[in-house]
Amino acid sequence: EAQVTQNPRYLITVTGKKLTVTCSQNMNHEYMSWYRQDPGLGLRQIYYSMNVEVTDKGDVPEGYKVSRKEKRNFPLILESPSPNQTSLYFCASSLWGSDTQYFGPGTRLTVL
Amino acid sequence: RKEVEQDPGPFNVPEGATVAFNCTYSNSASQSFFWYRQDCRKEPKLLMSVYSSGNEDGRFTAQLNRASQYISLLIRDSKLSDSATYLCVVNRKDTGNQFYFGTGTSLTVIP
Repeated sequence: EAQVTQNPRYLITVTGKKLTVTCSQNMNHEYMSWYRQDPGLGLRQIYYSMNVEVTDKGDVPEGYKVSRKEKRNFPLILESPSPNQTSLYFCASSLWGSDTQYFGPGTRLTVL
Repeated sequence: RKEVEQDPGPFNVPEGATVAFNCTYSNSASQSFFWYRQDCRKEPKLLMSVYSSGNEDGRFTAQLNRASQYISLLIRDSKLSDSATYLCVVNRKDTGNQFYFGTGTSLTVIP
């Protein structure tokens, strides 16, 4: 089944404790992206990647890191999480030239 | 100024009604346009792309007006299952390949 998976789905952590949210897709998509969704603000793009070893900042990259070492994986790293990073995070992927994005199920992160 | 603006609603309509959602975008360099549907904090799913000539998919019709930088979605004969949040999405490639989402318009279809 074609899909985007994210892990973990739910995470409660404390300020400053490094964490990684994984994202994997099995559709051989070139483009992958991370978003956060907050009430009243909608989805905002954090980082995106147009292919392996190519990453670019979105609208809200501060406090986040990403890497794209393999085509299928695009982990989101929070080196020192803070409470303002409490949010619902979505990973998405799309085929180059399509622009139709397929989203993962979301990761609900709470930083205390 | 926000890249994409939508009326948040909520829209509460009876079954069978026709409802229209509007969206404006601020940057004329925007290239691709979409409507996504999101159910209760689940992942967004593509409803339809929006083409310059307008396009229809069953009960759903999308229109794009590049001159006014305006996108619309019309839902005819509303069903209970149409209750969701509808997200207007714009893609720009002048600054890379970025997507901008509106905050969404909430629709509830009432029996």
